[in-house]
Amino acid sequence: GAVVSQHPSWVICKSGTSVKIECRSLDFQATTMFWYRQFPKQSLMLMATSNEGSKATYEQGVEKDKFLINHASLTLSTLTVTSAHPEDSSFYICSARDGQVNTEAFFGQGTRLTVV
Amino acid sequence: AQKITQTQPGMFVQEKEAVTLDCTYDTSDPSYGLFWYKQPSSGEMIFLIYQGSYDQQNATEGRYSLNFQKARKSANLVISASQLGDSAMYFCAMRRNTGFQKLVFGTGTRLLVSP
Repeated sequence: GAVVSQHPSWVICKSGTSVKIECRSLDFQATTMFWYRQFPKQSLMLMATSNEGSKATYEQGVEKDKFLINHASLTLSTLTVTSAHPEDSSFYICSARDGQVNTEAFFGQGTRLTVV
Repeated sequence: AQKITQTQPGMFVQEKEAVTLDCTYDTSDPSYGLFWYKQPSSGEMIFLIYQGSYDQQNATEGRYSLNFQKARKSANLVISASQLGDSAMYFCAMRRNTGFQKLVFGTGTRLLVSP
């Protein structure tokens, strides 16, 4: 299957700082990327959908000014958690799909964020 | 709106036995896809199997098969000949085949395979 690389795999940051997470499609062009958040022992909850070259579409209840998403190229999307707080500690995982073919979305390895 | 329901928070199975993980869904879309993913403790999401709403036959991928009953809106995953490495969280997901085609996940089932 296609490869999606997410970086970093884990990060610890101080309250009030910002953290950027990258999601790259390595061997295909991802016209659409999705960002999910998963709290311990819970399911994946979609945060936003990003399309290359346009503004992200956020799910209800997700603060767009806090979770900045940029999808500037067909192989890279970034999620920036701004002014992080301990309650933002979670597992963040991206997925990407090839817009040309109706296939499954491929997932990155995930990023475990801990805000202290 | 789309909704996925997994009613089994946890399942136990002995090695080499078969196990069925339940999934029901609700949608008004005529065209959709159903997926199963495995999530080990490392957190990665591993794609297992896909079933399209118009597919006439149940999907199979090695030891995984999907028991698709469209009228009952169920898409149960059957794992045959369970292995210790199958112990993980399993998520059922649905995707409408229009628009952004985002995945909506169920709450998951934790499978534990014992020797």
